[in-house]
Amino acid sequence: GAGVSQSPSNKVTEKGKDVELRCDPISGHTALYWYRQRLGQGLEFLIYFQGNSAPDKSGLPSDRFSAERTGESVSTLTIQRTQQEDSAVYLCASSLQGAGNTIYFGEGSWLTVV
Amino acid sequence: KNEVEQSPQNLTAQEGEFITINCSYSVGISALHWLQQHPGGGIVSLFMLSSGKKKHGRLIATINIQEKHSSLHITASHPRDSAVYICAVRRGGSQGNLIFGKGTKLSVKP
Repeated sequence: GAGVSQSPSNKVTEKGKDVELRCDPISGHTALYWYRQRLGQGLEFLIYFQGNSAPDKSGLPSDRFSAERTGESVSTLTIQRTQQEDSAVYLCASSLQGAGNTIYFGEGSWLTVV
Repeated sequence: KNEVEQSPQNLTAQEGEFITINCSYSVGISALHWLQQHPGGGIVSLFMLSSGKKKHGRLIATINIQEKHSSLHITASHPRDSAVYICAVRRGGSQGNLIFGKGTKLSVKP
């Protein structure tokens, strides 16, 4: 597609439920990133994919969080047993391989845990 | 101390004013990004710098690698420039993790 696409755009879930957030990166972008932004806070890095592997997952806050990527394309971020502190906007971004490339962000998935 | 510091945190300007937002960082970097986040949350990448200066329309970004400092300038500011501007750096040798500043909230009054 023309840009990074994320779904759902909004999700309200009950505490304890699992959620899956999807990211479709720009075609041909081998690098894919997940970030989180809680209300009133700055952006936090979660995980980085190069192709289908994740050489840097240091930002995942707990073992309830996991992510995968398939076909060097779509990525899914899964949050198990959601907690209220998981409420945030989850942003996906993609770029061509290499540190010197522009990063393109999706519109984000707004997650509210009630 | 945060590895990426931005100043000011908040900035109010009158339409037409020249605006400068500063970013200082304490780590070795391979690239620095300036991002714009609108109230709806969408993020747009404005610039990616590894040296020197870039210009796009009314926006100018500069970086001084030796001083570990970057500035974002907006000339002839307009209310539609109102947004949060975020500085982010990529550590030298790193492909992944971006380190973000806390952002500068800019409000341009007509």
